Order: sequence, then structure tokens, then C-alpha cells
Amino acid sequence: EPEVTQTPSHQVTQMGQEVILRCVPISNHLYFYWYRQILGQKVEFLVSFYNNEISEKSEIFDDQFSVERPDGSNFTLKIRSTKLEDSAMYFCASSRASLYGYTFGSGTRLTVV
Amino acid sequence: AQTVTQSQPEMSVQEAETVTLSCTYDTSESDYYLFWYKQPPSRQMILVIRQEAYKQQNATENRFSVNFQKAAKSFSLKISDSQLGDAAMYFCAYRSLGSGGSNYKLTFGKGTLLTVNP
Repeated sequence: EPEVTQTPSHQVTQMGQEVILRCVPISNHLYFYWYRQILGQKVEFLVSFYNNEISEKSEIFDDQFSVERPDGSNFTLKIRSTKLEDSAMYFCASSRASLYGYTFGSGTRLTVV
Repeated sequence: AQTVTQSQPEMSVQEAETVTLSCTYDTSESDYYLFWYKQPPSRQMILVIRQEAYKQQNATENRFSVNFQKAAKSFSLKISDSQLGDAAMYFCAYRSLGSGGSNYKLTFGKGTLLTVNP
């Protein structure tokens, strides 16, 4: 069964550093998403991406965040200057269209120290 | 904006017994999707079951079934014959049925931690 692949599974970074979280969505999917889950809390929407542009973003997704689909297969989330409160599990997801369900990746656990 | 409420932070069930997890939601839309996701200790998000609001029939997937009450905006998950592997955090989620990518985001509840006792 097709999977959404996320790398790395765990990343530790120093406060103020830039990080890039990588995702390979399912190949025939058209809609891509990033979600965040702070430990012990609910899963929160960050951003959706369709047709090579952001279609919606949440209040969390401020100027420190950016997304890119650089080569037609990868979908990346960049955090320019990490803060301690960015420590969380970050999930990538993709879907074909509204009539289809999401497929989530296994997540990247980001720890900012 | 839509909201999803899971009023049970924790639940427990004996192996082989049945348990029901509650979820309510608030929306002004008439068509939408509802989901239950399972998150085991590995923290991967696994789709358990999906319900389209326009379908009156409750969705069923093997031992998992839902009780969808549209008028009451209630969407509970029933797990029958509970197994040790069912132990996980369960999230209820809502998604609009809209056009364009902006309407496809999921809104999650805070989750219910299910413990299965042998």
C-alpha cells in the first residue's frame, strides 16, 4: 500500500537554527498538508498546499515557516529560526481530493534545545 | 469555525469487551466528513473509520463502528471485542466538503486515551 514517507524520524536542533523536515507524498496525490502535535496535545493544522501554492495556513504558520515542493516529489517544511516551543511531532499528509481520505506519514519528532 | 470535542480524556476497557468513545462537533455546514484516527505509542496517525455526513447509514469497519447522530452533532466510536492492540490515543476529526484545498484541512479533538486491560 502506498505510503507517505517522512525524514528524519527524529531531529534535535539548537534554538535559533534552521531545520527542514522532508516528506515524500503518495505519487498521485494532489493535496499536501503539514500538521503539528505538541506532546500530550491535539493535532493542529499548519498549512495546506495545492497546485504549487499554499491554499490555507493557520495562525501557527507565521513567517518563520515555509513550505516547498522543489522537485515534484518532495514536500518540505522549513522552520527558519527554531524556538523551544517548536518542539513537537510534525506530520505530513497527502490526499487525492476531497472524496478521498488523508494518508499521514509517520511523523518527525523535532526537539529544540 | 468548526470545533470538535472529546469529553473523555481517558477510557479503559477489559479485553474482549466493548467500549464507546464519544465525540461531538459544532458546524454550520450540512455536508462534511468525520473521522476517527488511532495514534498508538509509535505516534503514527492511522485512519480507523470515516463517515460521510450525507450518508444516514453508520460506517462499520470490522470491530469498529460509529453511531452518527447528525442532528445532535454526535459521532461516537464503538470498539467491539477489544484487543490489547487497540490501546492507543483516539482522535475524532472533522473535515469540510468544500472545493479547493483550503477546505480539506482536518480539525481534531483533543483525543481519548484508551487502555485495554488483559
